[in-house]
Amino acid sequence: NAGVMQNPRHLVRRRGQEARLRCSPMKGHSHVYWYRQLPEEGLKFMVYLQKENIIDESGMPKERFSAEFPKEGPSILRIQQVVRGDSAAYFCASSPPVGTNYGYTFGSGTRLTVV
Amino acid sequence: KNEVEQSPQNLTAQEGEFITINCSYSVGISALHWLQQHPGGGIVSLFMLSSGKKKHGRLIATINIQEKHSSLHITASHPRDSAVYICAVKVPTGNQFYFGTGTSLTVIP
Repeated sequence: NAGVMQNPRHLVRRRGQEARLRCSPMKGHSHVYWYRQLPEEGLKFMVYLQKENIIDESGMPKERFSAEFPKEGPSILRIQQVVRGDSAAYFCASSPPVGTNYGYTFGSGTRLTVV
Repeated sequence: KNEVEQSPQNLTAQEGEFITINCSYSVGISALHWLQQHPGGGIVSLFMLSSGKKKHGRLIATINIQEKHSSLHITASHPRDSAVYICAVKVPTGNQFYFGTGTSLTVIP
């Protein structure tokens, strides 16, 4: 019973390139959350998705960032035209359907470095 | 202003010491989590609390809903406990968490 799987673990991109971060939720979990952890800062909420729906994207930067959770396959966080300030650890979490406080599980994160 | 405040920010202890990390929050919550993050590592959920106290091995977590305060205690600390401990609260509406900035614990042999 694999936990939340994120890949890659480490990603290096040059300024201006695109970064794609993947998150496969735990089996049975239909809700995915993305968080960003900037150096020396705490985790910040970015976006909350269910299959084929974005429920809450209030924490997403308005430009260059997008997220999806298709019917089949992992959730993808996409960052276009990356800049140095995008360098951070990006964590994904998944949970069972709304209404439960249990089973909220984090992935190991993707560490993005923009050079 | 952070919805979740943790103290201390950094903590160094000798092996075997009893450790307490504190978390105060300013919003109404439905649950509070204590998380552990090792350097360069992923995040592990240690406890989920909505009231009272929970114990797992050498770890104890308590919450006082009226005072909006939670504590994480580690008894007989060990160098492998060295990590960042993060307090996170879930608000009743919506599905996101608010996180503290973490307490960096170093346990010296």
